[in-house]
Amino acid sequence: QKEVEQDPGPLSVPEGAIVSLNCTYSNSAFQYFMWYRQYSRKGPELLMYTYSSGNKEDGRFTAQVDKSSKYISLFIRDSQPSDSATYLCACAGGTSYGKLTFGQGTILTVHP
Amino acid sequence: EPEVTQTPSHQVTQMGQEVILRCVPISNHLYFYWYRQILGQKVEFLVSFYNNEISEKSEIFDDQFSVERPDGSNFTLKIRSTKLEDSAMYFCASSEIAEFGEQYFGPGTRLTVT
Repeated sequence: QKEVEQDPGPLSVPEGAIVSLNCTYSNSAFQYFMWYRQYSRKGPELLMYTYSSGNKEDGRFTAQVDKSSKYISLFIRDSQPSDSATYLCACAGGTSYGKLTFGQGTILTVHP
Repeated sequence: EPEVTQTPSHQVTQMGQEVILRCVPISNHLYFYWYRQILGQKVEFLVSFYNNEISEKSEIFDDQFSVERPDGSNFTLKIRSTKLEDSAMYFCASSEIAEFGEQYFGPGTRLTVT
């Protein structure tokens, strides 16, 4: 079983739509959860960082973590064409010293 | 806004050659990392580094790989004898304090081994 699973998509939505991106993970030791955005041939850009379960909001972005079901989500409200990118979830925790375990990434296209 | 920088942006090398990839982490960060991403695949952890020592390394990080912080600003990844399968994007990342702090990534070095 893969440690972090993410549907690669691609996902295509119209401008203004609410986007829901999701990951599941298998390692119960994970306590830190991140979402990164990656444009083509660029480095991952940190969007959201959460610890343990709960919600975190930053502008149009909301991250949710449900540790009981090992499920993490990123919601994007009022999506824009500039949001078109690959979204990566990443998890960390346990005895690892900062090792991030990434999902495959979901390719998102927001069309005008 | 402070950022992680990496040089070169693209490196082409022949199989068996040594390469050094360079990174300048964010200045007040204490934890440093290398990751790689083979085209079309996941970002994979290679190594973490703190206080001039490797904290953790993955199975990928074998004896062909080494890391160094040669001075107060640079952080390098050396591959001693490159193989075709080392072709990938290599990302450096850094975080400020705690080992699970927010990690900020550089733009990457694309390594092509021919």
